[in-house]
Amino acid sequence: QKEVEQNSGPLSVPEGAIASLNCTYSDRVSQSFFWYRQYSGKSPELIMSIYSNGDKEDGRFTAQLNKASQYVSLLIRDSQPSDSATYLCAVSNYGGSQGNLIFGKGTKLSVKP
Amino acid sequence: SAVISQKPSRDICQRGTSLTIQCQVDSQVTMMFWYRQQPGQSLTLIATANQGSEATYESGFVIDKFPISRPNLTFSTLTVSNMSPEDSSIYLCSVRLRTETEQYFGPGTRLTVT
Repeated sequence: QKEVEQNSGPLSVPEGAIASLNCTYSDRVSQSFFWYRQYSGKSPELIMSIYSNGDKEDGRFTAQLNKASQYVSLLIRDSQPSDSATYLCAVSNYGGSQGNLIFGKGTKLSVKP
Repeated sequence: SAVISQKPSRDICQRGTSLTIQCQVDSQVTMMFWYRQQPGQSLTLIATANQGSEATYESGFVIDKFPISRPNLTFSTLTVSNMSPEDSSIYLCSVRLRTETEQYFGPGTRLTVT
């Protein structure tokens, strides 16, 4: 059974702080890793993808991947109240057009002004 | 990315009836998927919609309950048949573009069965 595990939270951070969201996965052959943000009542929005070990930065977001430890994380710098949402980690073993995503249950982030 | 639309955005249906949800994408996509998100839960894949052939269903989902069509590269429908209150959920269309591995979601259809 392929699994993706996340702390459900809620994770509460003050405005301006760094929010750290973590995710572990069970399938060692996983190749593609994604973070989605989901506001209450809305559909998931893709915010980061990462395929290689190391860090990938995009604005205030940094995704980190460690395949040996089967661990992927998302850091949000200078957190804003508008970042308050549920963050979903998704993992796939597809290298081309096949395969599908397996989602974690999500971590609810609350950024306090 | 892609612009994905779904119709209807929400509906309230009676037990025993069926509802067909439409998904339209503004560009050709390699793969289309249908997910379900029950209240307070994460996303569960129902099936992969294959163009011109039968959909590929995940464990626990069957064609008689969730028939899917995909007549071309930009359009798919999901029917929720013989509905019960347990089918109350958000149904999401998702696509993967020809040139990308990222996957995008439509706005969802919020279904309530009474």
